Amino acid sequence: AQSVAQPEDQVNVAEGNPLTVKCTYSVSGNPYLFWYVQYPNRGLQFLLKYITGDNLVKGSYGFEAEFNKSQTSFHLKKPSALVSDSALYFCAVRDISVNNDMRFGAGTRLTVKP
Amino acid sequence: GAVVSQHPSRVICKSGTSVKIECRSLDFQATTMFWYRQFPKQSLMLMATSNEGSKATYEQGVEKDKFLINHASLTLSTLTVTSAHPEDSSFYICSANPRGVSDTQYFGPGTRLTVL
Repeated sequence: AQSVAQPEDQVNVAEGNPLTVKCTYSVSGNPYLFWYVQYPNRGLQFLLKYITGDNLVKGSYGFEAEFNKSQTSFHLKKPSALVSDSALYFCAVRDISVNNDMRFGAGTRLTVKP
Repeated sequence: GAVVSQHPSRVICKSGTSVKIECRSLDFQATTMFWYRQFPKQSLMLMATSNEGSKATYEQGVEKDKFLINHASLTLSTLTVTSAHPEDSSFYICSANPRGVSDTQYFGPGTRLTVL
């Protein structure tokens, strides 16, 4: 079965600095990879996804992620962090060859300090 | 973009009562909907996959008689928590796959259930 690991519970960065939120995955077939953001007491907001094609995926709010097949990683990045980026970030994977459900990582809390 | 709504957004009930949560796809048809629960400071855990017109598929450890799922139409799935207990208190989130689009799930805003 597919699985996702987010090795960091918490990431702290200063406003204006680049940020990286790490994600590694495990699937038996081809992965569909996603990043979502969650604000307190809210549902998930879609940021970006990798299905096929260019390994560098650009998404909402200036975020991007790079699919690295050899390292089975899909790290989320942003060149310059904003205080408003502070939230909970989830990486997710779907193995379409198996079924359609999505598996989530444990989440990483990003705090951007002014 | 595709919008998924959930109702109610918050519900407080007494122990032993049943609570129904609705998940609707507002501007698309969804052949498949998913139900997740999220405990505080934890990730989303898939509870069940709901296919229109057929029985839901439950994940291991999820009691199907306690969490009743009905997907009666292409735009509506309901989750009923029967005989709720305080340990059922959680954040319940649904998501939906647009018909004919297999790579994208759209999430509802979630329902906060508190059982007293």
